[in-house]
Amino acid sequence: QKEVEQDPGPLSVPEGAIVSLNCTYSNSAFQYFMWYRQYSRKGPELLMYTYSSGNKEDGRFTAQVDKSSKYISLFIRDSQPSDSATYLCAISRQGGSEKLVFGKGMKLTVNP
Amino acid sequence: DAEITQSPRHKITETGRQVTLACHQTWNHNNMFWYRQDLGHGLRLIHYSYGVQDTNKGEVSDGYSVSRSNTEDLPLTLESAASSQTSVYFCASSEGPGQGVWTQYFGPGTRLTVL
Repeated sequence: QKEVEQDPGPLSVPEGAIVSLNCTYSNSAFQYFMWYRQYSRKGPELLMYTYSSGNKEDGRFTAQVDKSSKYISLFIRDSQPSDSATYLCAISRQGGSEKLVFGKGMKLTVNP
Repeated sequence: DAEITQSPRHKITETGRQVTLACHQTWNHNNMFWYRQDLGHGLRLIHYSYGVQDTNKGEVSDGYSVSRSNTEDLPLTLESAASSQTSVYFCASSEGPGQGVWTQYFGPGTRLTVL
């Protein structure tokens, strides 16, 4: 079983839609959960992170972690064409100072 | 502004040749990482370093090597390039050590083709 699983999509939605991106992981030792956004032909950039369980909100983005079910989610409200990118979940035991384990990435297209 | 750069951005080489990909960061970060990104596999860790003279193997290290002689640079060497090493390679760096969410900053990537 891979340490983190992510549905690779792709996912296509109309502008203004609510988007839900999800990952599952297998090892309860992981404590840091991150979402990276990668535009075409660019390097990934950190979008959001959460530590342990709970929700974190930043503008139109909400990151959610459920450690009991080993499930992490990223919600995008009022999606915009500029949100079109590949979204990768990443997990680690000690945050970004330690090696990250990435999901395969979900390619999202928001159509105007 | 501080940044992380990779060179070359594109490289075509032949099977069996030695290839070195450069990574340079100006943040003075202790931690540096090399990943490869392939369709269907996402980002996979090749090697990483937590400081000068420190190197560690990642998930897919076979056929690759790194050395860290200073803080700013972590070159990745393919000893004898194989077609299976055709990929996009990303270098990243972060602060640390220690717990906490230290953002990993990624370079723009090197697209390597092995013919």
